[in-house]
Amino acid sequence: IAGITQAPTSQILAAGRRMTLRCTQDMRHNAMYWYRQDLGLGLRLIHYSNTAGTTGKGEVPDGYSVSRANTDDFPLTLASAVPSQTSVYFCASSVAGGTNTQYFGPGTRLTVL
Amino acid sequence: SQQGEEDPQALSIQEGENATMNCSYKTSINNLQWYRQNSGRGLVHLILIRSNEREKHSGRLRVTLDTSKKSSSLLITASRAADTASYFCATLNLSSGYALNFGKGTSLLVTP
Repeated sequence: IAGITQAPTSQILAAGRRMTLRCTQDMRHNAMYWYRQDLGLGLRLIHYSNTAGTTGKGEVPDGYSVSRANTDDFPLTLASAVPSQTSVYFCASSVAGGTNTQYFGPGTRLTVL
Repeated sequence: SQQGEEDPQALSIQEGENATMNCSYKTSINNLQWYRQNSGRGLVHLILIRSNEREKHSGRLRVTLDTSKKSSSLLITASRAADTASYFCATLNLSSGYALNFGKGTSLLVTP
């Protein structure tokens, strides 16, 4: 692994189903983030984690949950998907503090029908 | 809520021309960053300018910052078709750990 990876690349999901988007980084960054990107709305923060074992809510957390059991992994779970969660999801990581330059994964394109 | 707002939303130029994108933000900052996103890809960090800097260069990129006007500009000189992408400015989101607030981006099209 080099950098930050996300899985799956894309997914079509029936409404009401549970889905976990995976994110893994090998840079030993302490901070990780989940954003969603929608046309015309830019990137919006869903959840974040400043260090393993802690998480926080971003701008649009409803319907999503996260966990940070270790430094490398930051999964995002949709407990019961709804069509409004159709979006492209990006995971990112950074060294908390300092310049806080963020490194992004390639994204997961999710369609909820 | 988005902190940064880019202007224009879309820009179309020919190869060799310069491209200028602007960003306005709302609160005080420690630094401002610019990111690039190619179609279907994740964002990539381009350049960072600190609040005590007024101008910074990196290759064909030139960034300016005016903290009195809460604005920044990104200039790409001698544009190439490969510069076609969306460009975002970002500032620190003080209410969400170390997350960034991104603007909606400027979509740049460079035609041969």
